[in-house]
Amino acid sequence: QKEVEQNSGPLSVPEGAIASLNCTYSDRGSQSFFWYRQYSGKSPELIMFIYSNGDKEDGRFTAQLNKASQYVSLLIRDSQPSDSATYLCAPKRRNTPLVFGKGTRLSVIA
Amino acid sequence: DVKVTQSSRYLVKRTGEKVFLECVQDMDHENMFWYRQDPGLGLRLIYFSYDVKMKEKGDIPEGYSVSREKKERFSLILESASTNQTSMYLCASSLYGGGDIQYFGAGTRLSVL
Repeated sequence: QKEVEQNSGPLSVPEGAIASLNCTYSDRGSQSFFWYRQYSGKSPELIMFIYSNGDKEDGRFTAQLNKASQYVSLLIRDSQPSDSATYLCAPKRRNTPLVFGKGTRLSVIA
Repeated sequence: DVKVTQSSRYLVKRTGEKVFLECVQDMDHENMFWYRQDPGLGLRLIYFSYDVKMKEKGDIPEGYSVSREKKERFSLILESASTNQTSMYLCASSLYGGGDIQYFGAGTRLSVL
């Protein structure tokens, strides 16, 4: 089983809809989770992190974590064309480098 | 704001050349990382460093070496560039342990002909 799995997409949603991006991980020792956004030709930038079960909201973004199911998701409400990017999930483990998923490419159609 | 600066955005080299990719961070971060990113393969860790003069192999270190003589600078060296090293190279740094938030440079797109 791969350490971090994401559907590569592309995930296409219409403008204004909710985009749902999912990530599963294999290491039960993972303590928290980062979501990075990467625009085409650019480097990844951190947009959210979550460390406890449940939801964490930041503007139009909500991260959801379920440690029992080893599942983390990112919801983007009122999706905009500017949200079109690849979203990378990265579990945080103590004292080892982040392992990134391959990312899900999101396309928001105007 | 954290700034991670990579010396070149685009680089074209010939097979067999020795290539240096430089990375500098200005936030006194302890940890620095080198990744390569290829379509369909995601980010793959080449080498990382938790301290000056210290280095650890990542997942794909073959064909690469690194140097960290000063805390703020981490260099990736391709001893003898090959066409399969054509890729986007990304440098990152983090303040605390390796599992902390990583801040990325803009990347260097290297083409080896």
